[in-house]
Amino acid sequence: DTAVSQTPKYLVTQMGNDKSIKCEQNLGHDTMYWYKQDSKKFLKIMFSYNNKELIINETVPNRFSPKSPDKAHLNLHINSLELGDSAVYFCASSHLRLGAFFGQGTRLTVV
Amino acid sequence: SQQGEEDPQALSIQEGENATMNCSYKTSINNLQWYRQNSGRGLVHLILIRSNEREKHSGRLRVTLDTSKKSSSLLITASRAADTASYFCATDAAGGTSYGKLTFGQGTILTVHP
Repeated sequence: DTAVSQTPKYLVTQMGNDKSIKCEQNLGHDTMYWYKQDSKKFLKIMFSYNNKELIINETVPNRFSPKSPDKAHLNLHINSLELGDSAVYFCASSHLRLGAFFGQGTRLTVV
Repeated sequence: SQQGEEDPQALSIQEGENATMNCSYKTSINNLQWYRQNSGRGLVHLILIRSNEREKHSGRLRVTLDTSKKSSSLLITASRAADTASYFCATDAAGGTSYGKLTFGQGTILTVHP
């Protein structure tokens, strides 16, 4: 069973479109995250939710809106996509003692 | 500047040799975690070492942590071609309301030649 799963794995879309990436974890963790990995492989946190409550919101354009319907899900909605949004987006969940576990990533390409 | 900087940026070795990667960081931490990322794939959690631990082992992996020097090392013994990947360290900063926010380094690209 996949611990942290995100869909889709690949997403190609045109500038100006709105898209969503879904994430689910079956680990029972309370905290979930979205990270962005740029073309130079640098990973940076975007958002963190703890038990459905937003606790970290880094400097991210407000076109990006996370939504957590329950503590096992954290979706990422992106409005008015721009070329610079092209990256790999990773969902993760964490346990205090065991660390953070990541999904397989969603490669977003904006054309 | 960036927390969790890895050294070297790239490492090329022969199968069977040991590979050592280093990570330096700047702030106090709760823990430090190492991850592997194969080309075009997701991040695989390798090992977590807490700030009060000095060494940890998992299979062929050995991680050390020196909080006085704010540095960690990852040793992969008897490397295999399948170990070829990028390796990242990530720090979970102490204090504040970080809630497990990880700060990643740029990674070390390890290539193991058969």
